[in-house]
Amino acid sequence: NAGVTQTPKFRILKIGQSMTLQCTQDMNHNYMYWYRQDPGMGLKLIYYSVGAGITDKGEVPNGYNVSRSTTEDFPLRLELAAPSQTSVYFCASRQGSSGYTFGSGTRLTVV
Amino acid sequence: DQQVKQNSPSLSVQEGRISILNCDYTNSMFDYFLWYKKYPAEGPTFLISISSIKDKNEDGRFTVFLNKSAKHLSLHIVPSQPGDSAVYFCAALDRSNAGGTSYGKLTFGQGTILTVHP
Repeated sequence: NAGVTQTPKFRILKIGQSMTLQCTQDMNHNYMYWYRQDPGMGLKLIYYSVGAGITDKGEVPNGYNVSRSTTEDFPLRLELAAPSQTSVYFCASRQGSSGYTFGSGTRLTVV
Repeated sequence: DQQVKQNSPSLSVQEGRISILNCDYTNSMFDYFLWYKKYPAEGPTFLISISSIKDKNEDGRFTVFLNKSAKHLSLHIVPSQPGDSAVYFCAALDRSNAGGTSYGKLTFGQGTILTVHP
């Protein structure tokens, strides 16, 4: 029972580089979310998806893109990394009225 | 606009005593509240929740109280144990808008670092 799996766990990017944070879940959940957590702050929603082929912006979508081609996968794309994107990123999934299941996070540093 | 606030960044408690973590919210549409616990280098894990139709929910050592008129909830841990040391996040959900723009999005507080000393 893997739950929500995020890769990589750590990454250092240079300004202007791009990367994709991977997220996959094996619970057949329809809803998936990307959050970022900055020091001393709560989790802020970046993007979410209510099912394959459907995505929408959260509170802080600028600088990010997502896709949801399958129920299992919800990758987050950074096209031009900026220092402001240094954060810990969490992917989560949910089904119905159940609580969220979170991945273990990706710690990203942009230098 | 911080709709869910945890005003205490940290709390230190002696083992065996009660830990009380507080959370305030401003959006009256929130009707479901959750507490998550987070250890370093791990994702948040669900701890306990409460619906707005209740004022108390208990699960072992953990009890959540909801005061809707004050828009306040609290998490009580009794007795506190060193293994409870973690960051605790309060989160709120507007389930009535689950099919609308909110899509079941959780709104999180800033978190409270709980340290339980042996």
